[in-house]
Amino acid sequence: GDSVTQMEGPVTLSEEAFLTINCTYTATGYPSLFWYVQYPGEGLQLLLKATKADDKGSNKGFEATYRKETTSFHLEKGSVQVSDSAVYFCALSEAGGTSYGKLTFGQGTILTVHP
Amino acid sequence: GAVVSQHPSRVICKSGTSVKIECRSLDFQATTMFWYRQFPKQSLMLMATSNEGSKATYEQGVEKDKFLINHASLTLSTLTVTSAHPEDSSFYICSARDPRNRALGGYEQYFGPGTRLTVT
Repeated sequence: GDSVTQMEGPVTLSEEAFLTINCTYTATGYPSLFWYVQYPGEGLQLLLKATKADDKGSNKGFEATYRKETTSFHLEKGSVQVSDSAVYFCALSEAGGTSYGKLTFGQGTILTVHP
Repeated sequence: GAVVSQHPSRVICKSGTSVKIECRSLDFQATTMFWYRQFPKQSLMLMATSNEGSKATYEQGVEKDKFLINHASLTLSTLTVTSAHPEDSSFYICSARDPRNRALGGYEQYFGPGTRLTVT
């Protein structure tokens, strides 16, 4: 079945540091890939997405590129802020079949940014 | 963006009782809603897919008689944990699919803020 593997956290960075959170996946078809963010006490919010190979999703300074050859969708940000402290989830959704529209999540990575 | 609410946000109940959690889409009609369970420091586990007007589809290993799901309207799905036990204590999250924003791979999902269930 489908699966998503994220780098283990927690990740602790100083403000303005470079961030990378690795994400790799296995899927039977051609999935769409997502990064969700969960701020303390809140629900998950879609951060960015990519629907086909070589697409780059970007939002709020975060970027991730859909790499089919390495089955990866690593999240990056050039300069993190304290307000980026949250839990980040990588996820995939199959395009068709019985799994259509269902999200498979990675285990989540806790990011803490210090001033 | 679309908003999904959950009620209650926290609930404490005694072992053996039943608890109902509501999930509402506030500004759109959701034919499909999903229920997840999140254990501490772990990922979200899909429990079931709730379709308006029909029976829910449960994931393997999820007891449908224990976790009753009702999707009676296009804006409301409920999860009832029956005869709750301490091992049912968890964070339950719902999401709703917004059919207005269809994208390859499925409609975008919007998540509720979650319900913390503690069974004593």
